[in-house]
Amino acid sequence: ELKVEQNPLFLSMQEGKNYTIYCNYSTTSDRLYWYRQDPGKSLESLFVLLSNGAVKQEGRLMASLDTKARLSTLHITAAVHDLSATYFCAVDHPFKWTSYDKVIFGPGTSLSVIP
Amino acid sequence: DARVTQTPRHKVTEMGQEVTMRCQPILGHNTVFWYRQTMMQGLELLAYFRNRAPLDDSGMPKDRFSAEMPDATLATLKIQPSEPRDSAVYFCASGPVTTGDEQYFGPGTRLTVT
Repeated sequence: ELKVEQNPLFLSMQEGKNYTIYCNYSTTSDRLYWYRQDPGKSLESLFVLLSNGAVKQEGRLMASLDTKARLSTLHITAAVHDLSATYFCAVDHPFKWTSYDKVIFGPGTSLSVIP
Repeated sequence: DARVTQTPRHKVTEMGQEVTMRCQPILGHNTVFWYRQTMMQGLELLAYFRNRAPLDDSGMPKDRFSAEMPDATLATLKIQPSEPRDSAVYFCASGPVTTGDEQYFGPGTRLTVT
């Protein structure tokens, strides 16, 4: 059974600083997703990474995928308060005997950006 | 702007009562997911439908929970009887035809069972 871990689970950082959130998964997968959840809100898709070496950037966030290492990173550049949220990674996993994939979510990283 | 809709947004009920939550997936999406989110357990997958057929409901307590898709525009999650430990936010999400696309989440139903 696929397990998805995130590190750290809680992160408090100052505005203007850089930091990286890590997502590790236990079995082979070629697809990884990053979602953002604001407090009391729903989840919103940030990035879809579909192949080894994929890199995507949106504003101050950049996500990358290394399928050989089973690792994805979400890098935050020059953090601002608006980035405070919980960030989830999720990984596709072949589902039983079917050709379908099941998506397994990590536990989330709660990010707080302080002035 | 297509969105997943869920009703009700909030529900407070007494233990033992039946609760039905509804979800309208984005038109054209053929996968529907039900999740439960709590502080203790995080985000848990309860049920997964593809083309209205249930593919996986192993995360759902079978004795009290049931999930159905009576048609392509409606998914339901029912709890009967409800218990205080069912208090959580229940999210519905839908995805397009292609495997590997991201899920689009609804706003959630916040359920409180007293």
